[in-house]
Amino acid sequence: QKEVEQNSGPLSVPEGAIASLNCTYSDRVSQSFFWYRQYSGKSPELIMSIYSNGDKEDGRFTAQLNKASQYVSLLIRDSQPSDSATYLCAAQYNFNKFYFGSGTKLNVKP
Amino acid sequence: DTGVSQDPRHKITKRGQNVTFRCDPISEHNRLYWYRQTLGQGPEFLTYFQNEAQLEKSRLLSDRFSAERPKGSFSTLEIQRTEQGDSAMYLCASSLVPGLAGGPTRTDTQYFGPGTRLTVL
Repeated sequence: QKEVEQNSGPLSVPEGAIASLNCTYSDRVSQSFFWYRQYSGKSPELIMSIYSNGDKEDGRFTAQLNKASQYVSLLIRDSQPSDSATYLCAAQYNFNKFYFGSGTKLNVKP
Repeated sequence: DTGVSQDPRHKITKRGQNVTFRCDPISEHNRLYWYRQTLGQGPEFLTYFQNEAQLEKSRLLSDRFSAERPKGSFSTLEIQRTEQGDSAMYLCASSLVPGLAGGPTRTDTQYFGPGTRLTVL
């Protein structure tokens, strides 16, 4: 079992809709969690981090963490074509190395 | 530009040659990470440094790979006797973990450089 798992997609949503991206993790990496966006051929860029149970909002993005169920999700409201990218979930355990999922590809159709 | 920088951005080499990549982290950051990423996969951890100390190296990394961060600032990643399977994007990331002497902090947010794309022919 991989430490961090994501559905590879692609996830297709119409412009203006809510995109929901999910990530599950194993016990060994349950501490801090991060969402990155990666455009094709570019490096990952940080969207947000979360480490406490519940929701964390930043603009159109909301991260949700449920430690009991071991999942992290990212909601993108009012999706735009420019949001089309691969979204990477990452987890860090005990302030050591990071584990990344393989990413979910999101397509936002105009 | 005060972000993470990497050099070169692209490298094409022949199998069996040695290559070296450089990473310059954000200036006040004390941690530096190296990753490898292939198409359709997430970044795969290679190694990381806390200041000049190399704290962990992936078991997946063969002895052809070596990394240094001699003065706790920039870092180099060397691959000896390159193989076609080494073709990938090599990513560097840095972060600031304050207060390690006094106890844990809540997050260790890392920021990535643009990457070095290696092609081994």
